[in-house]
Amino acid sequence: RKEVEQDPGPFNVPEGATVAFNCTYSNSASQSFFWYRQDCRKEPKLLMSVYSSGNEDGRFTAQLNRASQYISLLIRDSKLSDSATYLCVVNQGTYKYIFGTGTRLKVLA
Amino acid sequence: NAGVTQTPKFRVLKTGQSMTLLCAQDMNHEYMYWYRQDPGMGLRLIHYSVGEGTTAKGEVPDGYNVSRLKKQNFLLGLESAAPSQTSVYFCASTLGGGRLDQPQHFGDGTRLSIL
Repeated sequence: RKEVEQDPGPFNVPEGATVAFNCTYSNSASQSFFWYRQDCRKEPKLLMSVYSSGNEDGRFTAQLNRASQYISLLIRDSKLSDSATYLCVVNQGTYKYIFGTGTRLKVLA
Repeated sequence: NAGVTQTPKFRVLKTGQSMTLLCAQDMNHEYMYWYRQDPGMGLRLIHYSVGEGTTAKGEVPDGYNVSRLKKQNFLLGLESAAPSQTSVYFCASTLGGGRLDQPQHFGDGTRLSIL
């Protein structure tokens, strides 16, 4: 079993739709959690950290469920520019960041 | 403020050749990392450094060496390139200091092909 698992997608959604991704992790000792966005042939860029109480940044909402060991990302009012791969990242120590393989999102006009 | 800068951006090597990838950061970060990204796989840690003069092995260190002679620079070397090392290489950094809530900052990658 992979340490961090994501549905690879692609998720094809129309503009304006709401879409949600989940990410599960296997190590209950995981300390911190992040969502990154990666455009084709580009570097990962931090989208948002995920806090225990859940957090929101504009159209994006992230949630953490430690009991079930998953994090989620909700995107509301999808834009064409949201098309990318979304990476789930779990930190298990000062240097140990475990990356999911990513979920591809395509927002269609 | 450039953040994390990688050079070169692209390179094609022949099997057996050697080369060095350079990562430079101007954020005064303590920790630096080298990853490789292959299709269908998450980023995998090659080597990392928690400070000037220190390096440590990650998940996939074989065939690579690293050096951190200056705090701002982290070099990744391939002594004898193999086709299996064809990949996209990313450097990243974090502030360090033992905090666990720090996101990583990435360079824009080096695309390396070994023929």
